[in-house]
Amino acid sequence: QKEVEQDPGPLSVPEGAIVSLNCTYSNSAFQYFMWYRQYSRKGPELLMYTYSSGNKEDGRFTAQVDKSSKYISLFIRDSQPSDSATYLCAMEGGSEKLVFGKGTKLTVNP
Amino acid sequence: GAGVSQSPRYKVTKRGQDVTLRCDPISSHATLYWYQQALGQGPEFLTYFNYEAQPDKSGLPSDRFSAERPEGSISTLTIQRTEQRDSAMYRCASSARWDTEAFFGQGTRLTVV
Repeated sequence: QKEVEQDPGPLSVPEGAIVSLNCTYSNSAFQYFMWYRQYSRKGPELLMYTYSSGNKEDGRFTAQVDKSSKYISLFIRDSQPSDSATYLCAMEGGSEKLVFGKGTKLTVNP
Repeated sequence: GAGVSQSPRYKVTKRGQDVTLRCDPISSHATLYWYQQALGQGPEFLTYFNYEAQPDKSGLPSDRFSAERPEGSISTLTIQRTEQRDSAMYRCASSARWDTEAFFGQGTRLTVV
């Protein structure tokens, strides 16, 4: 079993839909949880960063961490075609080593 | 520099040859990471540097892989005696400190034929 599991999709939604992206993990040492967005032929860019459990909201994006279930989520409200990208969850447990999920490819159709 | 710069962008090499990839991090960033990203996969950690120190190289797949950052700035990743399974995107990232945002470069696409 990989340390971080992420459904690779692909996921296709109409513009304006609410998108839910998820990752599960097995390493209870993980304390920092991140979501990266990666556009085609580009490097990953940090989207959201959460320490430990809880919710964090930034505009149309909400990140949730449930450490008891070892489950993290990213919600995108009012999705836009410009949100079409691959979304990668990443986690770190104080070892300076980010462990990434496979990434979920999202397409938002106008 | 304005961002993390990697060169070359693309490299095609014959099996058995050595290759060296270069990463120029954001100026003054202390921490530099190397990741390998296969098609359709997330980046896999290879190694990282704090300035010139290399505290963790646990992700390097074999002793054919090595990385340097001799002056705490530019870094190189060298793969000796390349094999077809080494074909991947190699990404470099840098951050001001280990616990701050890591900025990724555009990567070097390595193809071993």
